[in-house]
Amino acid sequence: EDKVVQSPLSLVVHEGDTVTLNCSYEVTNFRSLLWYKQEKKAPTFLFMLTSSGIEKKSGRLSSILDKKELFSILNITATQTGDSAVYLCAETYSNYQLIWGAGTKLIIKP
Amino acid sequence: DAGVIQSPRHEVTEMGQEVTLRCKPISGHDYLFWYRQTMMRGLELLIYFNNNVPIDDSGMPEDRFSAKMPNASFSTLKIQPSEPRDSAVYFCASRAGGTYNEQFFGPGTRLTVL
Repeated sequence: EDKVVQSPLSLVVHEGDTVTLNCSYEVTNFRSLLWYKQEKKAPTFLFMLTSSGIEKKSGRLSSILDKKELFSILNITATQTGDSAVYLCAETYSNYQLIWGAGTKLIIKP
Repeated sequence: DAGVIQSPRHEVTEMGQEVTLRCKPISGHDYLFWYRQTMMRGLELLIYFNNNVPIDDSGMPEDRFSAKMPNASFSTLKIQPSEPRDSAVYFCASRAGGTYNEQFFGPGTRLTVL
């Protein structure tokens, strides 16, 4: 069965630090990998990655996919307290279903 | 665009009662998903619909759970009878057809079964 594993499970850093969150996946019929941010409400979409080696970027957040090694990373530079959240990655496989990782809980201390 | 709408936002009920959660997907989206989220198990897919037809309900925990989508703009998730272990946040999400479209989540319904 396909699986998505995120690491670390939790992370505490100080404002201004750079963080890297990891997501590895096992796949039988990979289509895309997605990153979501979840604060105290519903997950909100960040990135969708389909091609290896192409970085997606939005402000201080960026993400890249390595289809050979089956992982993705999410980078956040110059972190702010508003970045505190659970970051979820998910793999889309056949029939458009998502397999979700357990998430990384990120805490940014002022 | 109002986004995915769910109601109620919070529900507190007693064990044995029937609970009905409601969802209105984003207009034009072909796919609708029901998820359950708990601290212990994370996000779990319960069931999803394509063009109002249930495609995969293998995530529905047991016969106490049922879901319907009578038309393209409305879906319900029903639990009858409810049990304390059903306490969770239930999310509805929708997405457009096509391979590379993300899911948009509703605000969720926080269910507490006493």
